[in-house]
Amino acid sequence: KAGVTQTPRYLIKTRGQQVTLSCSPISGHRSVSWYQQTPGQGLQFLFEYFSETQRNKGNFPGRFSGRQFSNSRSEMNVSTLELGDSALYLCASSSSLQGSGANVLTFGAGSRLTVL
Amino acid sequence: KQEVTQIPAALSVPEGENLVLNCSFTDSAIYNLQWFRQDPGKGLTSLLLIQSSQREQTSGRLNASLDKSSGRSTLYIAASQPGDSATYLCAVPTQGGSEKLVFGKGTKLTVNP
Repeated sequence: KAGVTQTPRYLIKTRGQQVTLSCSPISGHRSVSWYQQTPGQGLQFLFEYFSETQRNKGNFPGRFSGRQFSNSRSEMNVSTLELGDSALYLCASSSSLQGSGANVLTFGAGSRLTVL
Repeated sequence: KQEVTQIPAALSVPEGENLVLNCSFTDSAIYNLQWFRQDPGKGLTSLLLIQSSQREQTSGRLNASLDKSSGRSTLYIAASQPGDSATYLCAVPTQGGSEKLVFGKGTKLTVNP
């Protein structure tokens, strides 16, 4: 079956612009979570959506936002881009309900954002 | 606040060697622990998930153990191969069995032919 698909794979933006990244989860998966990966901070949790509702949120400024659609596809948006937003943005989907303890996350290949 | 540490940050071994990667966490009240592999420029591949009630999990040449009381997990790789070269990360949920994971910085493994 198809894996987690993220688009675009690579993009270059300039400071002050905004960007929207897309994630299509594995068919049947209802949870989509987003992570930011940088060389300095490693992998950091951004937010998680389940059935179109934000279920968890990490410690990122309000410039980072997301949403999930009825077909479980998710988008994240970063407004007023800063140089420090350059990173690999990873999306993951899972099928299990919160608390089941069997939430194996399947990650996409990521969207690499460069802010100039 | 949960913190995850992985030692060493990098490891280089000759092909065929057995090796152990270490992961420690500060809050022992974890629900599970996952080990992932990341190839350069790629996403993460889940290798093993150990439930809090389990002591170890095995998949092929990989064996992961979990000791909650001491806040440690190890990933054992038997008979290493050049194809095992990658960065290995461990992660634990911040609450319950949620998808909000805290990751270690990873161990970059190089297996030399």
